Amino acid sequence: GQQLNQSPQSMFIQEGEDVSMNCTSSSIFNTWLWYKQDPGEGPVLLIALYKAGELTSNGRLTAQFGITRKDSFLNISASIPSDVGIYFCAGSVMDSNYQLIWGAGTKLIIKP
Amino acid sequence: DSGVTQTPKHLITATGQRVTLRCSPRSGDLSVYWYQQSLDQGLQFLIQYYNGEERAKGNILERFSAQQFPDLHSELNLSSLELGDSALYFCASNREGTSGYNEQFFGPGTRLTVL
Repeated sequence: GQQLNQSPQSMFIQEGEDVSMNCTSSSIFNTWLWYKQDPGEGPVLLIALYKAGELTSNGRLTAQFGITRKDSFLNISASIPSDVGIYFCAGSVMDSNYQLIWGAGTKLIIKP
Repeated sequence: DSGVTQTPKHLITATGQRVTLRCSPRSGDLSVYWYQQSLDQGLQFLIQYYNGEERAKGNILERFSAQQFPDLHSELNLSSLELGDSALYFCASNREGTSGYNEQFFGPGTRLTVL
């Protein structure tokens, strides 16, 4: 079946640091989505990408749809305490009945 | 606020019991997805309904079932509950079919605890 590898699994960061995480797939995707989940809450959509090479920003967040259509990355600049949470990537392929394939998540933790 | 509502927020029950979780999608969304998230795990897709019809099944146990009603709200029924069914259950909706866009919008979840 289709696989989505998301890395890193977790990150310890200092406030003010830049953060980068990525997802790679075994298949060509036509959609990449990035979500953030706070503890005990539902995932919230951060950025949606629909074209290969597309680079989209949302405040301090920037995401790109890889040229090969098999990868995507999310960058967070100048991290702040409220960035803590789990970030999920999700993608879909053509004619997939609008199903999403989900990464396992990247847990962002602020160093004390 | 995503516009997706789920009730109840918390549910505590005993093994062997049956529960029903309810979801109302965003206004205008025809598709509803159910997910299970165990502690510190990712999202496991259970089932999708589109305009009242089952569209896709994921890793849904035979003890679990769902339906979508004419007003588009959906219910997830979990029966013969086991300790391992304790998890967060999320409902998501999207406006599939209108432009090919796949964004799913999630509700706040129902936390199920089976004792």
